[in-house]
Formats: sequence, C-alpha cells, structure tokens
Amino acid sequence: DSGVTQTPKHLITATGQRVTLRCSPRSGDLSVYWYQQSLDQGLQFLIQYYNGEERAKGNILERFSAQQFPDLHSELNLSSLELGDSALYFCASSTWDRGNYGYTFGSGTRLTVV
Amino acid sequence: AQSVAQPEDQVNVAEGNPLTVKCTYSVSGNPYLFWYVQYPNRGLQFLLKYITGDNLVKGSYGFEAEFNKSQTSFHLKKPSALVSDSALYFCAVTLSRGAGNMLTFGGGTRLMVKP
Repeated sequence: DSGVTQTPKHLITATGQRVTLRCSPRSGDLSVYWYQQSLDQGLQFLIQYYNGEERAKGNILERFSAQQFPDLHSELNLSSLELGDSALYFCASSTWDRGNYGYTFGSGTRLTVV
Repeated sequence: AQSVAQPEDQVNVAEGNPLTVKCTYSVSGNPYLFWYVQYPNRGLQFLLKYITGDNLVKGSYGFEAEFNKSQTSFHLKKPSALVSDSALYFCAVTLSRGAGNMLTFGGGTRLMVKP
C-alpha cells in the first residue's frame, strides 16, 4: 500500500456517460496530481491541485474537470465519454517533509469505455 | 518547458548481464530526476531519485543511476539483471519544488530479461 488510495480500481461504462474517479493522498501531502496513461501515449499530466486550489494544468480536455476538497481528497470527473478516453488514470501526491522530496502514486483506476 | 526522452522502446538483456535503460532530459534550470517501474496491472513504484549531491544515485532492488549534467542524461543501470526485473520503466523530471512542479515522464522503456 503506497498510501495513495484510488477508487474504483476498475470502471466500465458506455460512450456519452459521466464518471467520477476518487483519490485520497498520503497523510499530510497537500498536492494531488492526475495522470492519464493510454496505450500509445505514455503518462500524460492532466492537472494538479495544492491545498484545494488548482496549481497547474496539462493536456486536460474540456470534458474533464477536477477538484480537491477540504479533507484533501480529489475527484476527477470525466463526461461525455468517448472510446478514446479508455485508459489508466493515476493519482499521485507529493511531499517535501524534512528534506524528503518525492511523489507517491496510487494503483490507478482502469477506465474502459464501450 | 520540460521534457524527457527515452530513446529505446524496448531493451532486451540476458539474465545475469548488466542492463542500461537510457534517459535524457531537457529543462531550463536544475532538474529533479526520478525513475519509476510499472509491473503489469500495477501502479508506478518509485526506484530512485536525484535531487542534489552525488551524481551516482543508488535505489531499490539494486538499481542505480548516474546524473550527467553535461550530457543531460540520467541512465538507469543494474550490474546483473534478473528475470523479475522485466517491466516498464519510466524516467521523469521536474524543475523545482515551486508552483507547477508536476512530473513530466518519458515514453517508457520495456525491459525484457531472458533466462
């Protein structure tokens, strides 16, 4: 267990539908990052939140949105789903405690759009 | 902008032989560099990182990497490969601890270790 929890682990849904992916960061980590891993595109950065505020945005589609709540968990909302949205979605959190610096990844949510 | 290149999609090596997985980076500043490994149907596992200090970094499972600033490289190495090392390896870079400090990943290199 890495300390970053993602739910659900698997999700199968139809085109046009909307889904919500959830991420709980490691205890004490304020930053949450979302990544998409598609078969042919490697790991693409989507969005980062820091203590509830959006900090950086990557190649995130307008159909996708995210937020970070006061308890620091984050949700990634994917709407009007297309077949091409099928991918592994990772969440990560980061820490800089006492000179330590690193990113911890969750086990991912595998989304299949049919 | 920051970017990472992993020039080899796949590296094949015989068990017991040394292995190298290549990584070059591009950032406008001092990089923080990372290696992660991904086994099938699993998340990303941290192997090692370079933040500052010694250019040779030792990590998990006998892996090490050498930071070469002049060549902007951070190649992953292991003296003796195991079949269980077969997995997908990602190199990643970030520029700083500040705002927008997301990791940028290379495209990944599949390592195949044959008995």
